[in-house]
Amino acid sequence: DAGVTQSPTHLIKTRGQHVTLRCSPISGHKSVSWYQQVLGQGPQFIFQYYEKEERGRGNFPDRFSARQFPNYSSELNVNALLLGDSALYLCASRSRLISGNTIYFGEGSWLTVV
Amino acid sequence: AQTVTQSQPEMSVQEAETVTLSCTYDTSESDYYLFWYKQPPSRQMILVIRQEAYKQQNATENRFSVNFQKAAKSFSLKISDSQLGDAAMYFCASYQGGSEKLVFGKGMKLTVNP
Repeated sequence: DAGVTQSPTHLIKTRGQHVTLRCSPISGHKSVSWYQQVLGQGPQFIFQYYEKEERGRGNFPDRFSARQFPNYSSELNVNALLLGDSALYLCASRSRLISGNTIYFGEGSWLTVV
Repeated sequence: AQTVTQSQPEMSVQEAETVTLSCTYDTSESDYYLFWYKQPPSRQMILVIRQEAYKQQNATENRFSVNFQKAAKSFSLKISDSQLGDAAMYFCASYQGGSEKLVFGKGMKLTVNP
């Protein structure tokens, strides 16, 4: 079975641009969450979606938004990119029924803002 | 608020030896989960082991085991028969169902010497 898949794996954007990152959860997982990991730090929670509804939001500005689709895939959008948004963006999925609340991560999307 | 503390930024171990990584946490909830994740240079976050707070028995996965001390809010990871492939960043994390997010420690870099 496929794990959590993310795209793109690497991308470079210019300050002020917009970026969309995509995530497909493990089959059967309805909960998707997003994390930002800056170099040298642990991941920081951005959003969590369950059944297409936002269930949690971390301490990130409104430039960050996300959504979940009927097939449970998700997009993370970041507007007006800043140099400080350069990071690894991790998507994770969870299912209490299938995997007992264990949270599995994708390989991440490396975003570099220049 | 959830907090996770990993006080040792780096450790090293000889191949085939045993090493213990420490982690303390704080939570106001009674229903929570604890995880150890491994992040090799590829940066993918790989689940090592998990522990449900309501279970008294310490979790074990092959060469990996935990020492879960609930009263002390301590959750250490023991790696037996260390292998070169164990070299990575290790993150301790806690999850509370009500908050819908993982809270990570700052991580610890493990070096395995041949």
